[in-house]
Order: sequence, then structure tokens, then C-alpha cells
Amino acid sequence: AQRVTQPEKLLSVFKGAPVELKCNYSYSGSPELFWYVQYSRQRLQLLLRHISRESIKGFTADLNKGETSFHLKKPFAQEEDSAMYYCAPGVTNTGNQFYFGTGTSLTVIP
Amino acid sequence: NAGVMQNPRHLVRRRGQEARLRCSPMKGHSHVYWYRQLPEEGLKFMVYLQKENIIDESGMPKERFSAEFPKEGPSILRIQQVVRGDSAAYFCASSPSGQAVTYNEQFFGPGTRLTVL
Repeated sequence: AQRVTQPEKLLSVFKGAPVELKCNYSYSGSPELFWYVQYSRQRLQLLLRHISRESIKGFTADLNKGETSFHLKKPFAQEEDSAMYYCAPGVTNTGNQFYFGTGTSLTVIP
Repeated sequence: NAGVMQNPRHLVRRRGQEARLRCSPMKGHSHVYWYRQLPEEGLKFMVYLQKENIIDESGMPKERFSAEFPKEGPSILRIQQVVRGDSAAYFCASSPSGQAVTYNEQFFGPGTRLTVL
């Protein structure tokens, strides 16, 4: 069965501290990985995608195929990073399909 | 391009009534996804549609819920005989036409907040 797991429902860190939001997936084939973010009262939006190997707002995510993980990291958290973060693998066996994790609510404490 | 549009933004229904939620995808997008976000919970996939076809409805409750995406007009998520547990935010997303392997981004609408009294 296809599955994505974000083990932390809530995560609090102090401003300036490193932050890591965990994501583990279980899929047949090789999914592409995305992180989406939802700031308070805003639309859900794409934060970054693995294929681009980019850093957005200081966040990076490394795909570890051996551990089937795609953890989101930032070395120094900022207050404006407080948001809901969703890990979302994209798979192709049933079409242009995304399965979102249950999300991690990140709070950055001033 | 106005982006993904959803209406109404807020919908109040009494138990037993029907709720109809509409989603107009971005121009040129023929893939539509519906998600539900229950209070204090994350985003959960409900159904994936292309024009006139349901591709994956594995996340849809077996009863009372249905979705369509006609050749013309918006996609509709229909909830019959609503109950209080249906109160949630319902989000629609669209993605461009094209081969599935392109892993296109989904563009989300602002959501419809359904409240069942």
C-alpha cells in the first residue's frame, strides 16, 4: 500500500535553532517528492520539489532512497516559518497523483 | 489567470441537507483533486478526476459523497444528508494536462469551509 508518514504532528523550535521535519514514504516504484506549506489563512502552496534540488526560504530536503525518507531541514528557523508542512510524494501508476502526509505543524518560538 | 477558484468560501448547512461545493480549475488544467481537512487534522485526499472521468476515489467515504467533473463547467463535490462530522475545510487543486510522469505541481484553491449545524 502507498503510504507517507509524518511522525510529528506538532513541532516547536526556538528562533535560530535548526529544524527538521520528518517524512517517510512507502511506495512501489520511485515517487517524486514534494513539500507543501500552508501559512496561516493562506492557500496551500508548493515549497520545494526534490527534482529541482533547490533551496527555498532556506529549506532543503534530501531524498534518501535507502531509508525512504525525504526530511525537510533548515539550519536557522525564523518566526515566519511557523506553518503547516505537508510531505507529498507524487506517483504515476494511477496517474498524476499526490498523496499528502498528515502534516506537521511547526511553531517557531521567538 | 485567476488561479483555482472555489465557491462558496463558507457554507452552512443543517443536518440532513445537501452540500454542493464547486471548483473551477486554472485555465488549461484538466486534472482536479479534492481534499478534506478536518479540524486539528492534516490534509486528506478524497478524489482525483479528469474531465468526465473519476480516476481515483479511494479517499471518498462510501456513502453520501460523490464528485464529478463534467466536460463543461466546474468540478462539483456533493455531500448528501450532511452530518456534523462533515464539518471541515474542503480544498480543491488542479494540475496541468499532460503525462503523469511529469510530476506537475498542484495549485490549490482557497477552500470551502463547511459548517454543519
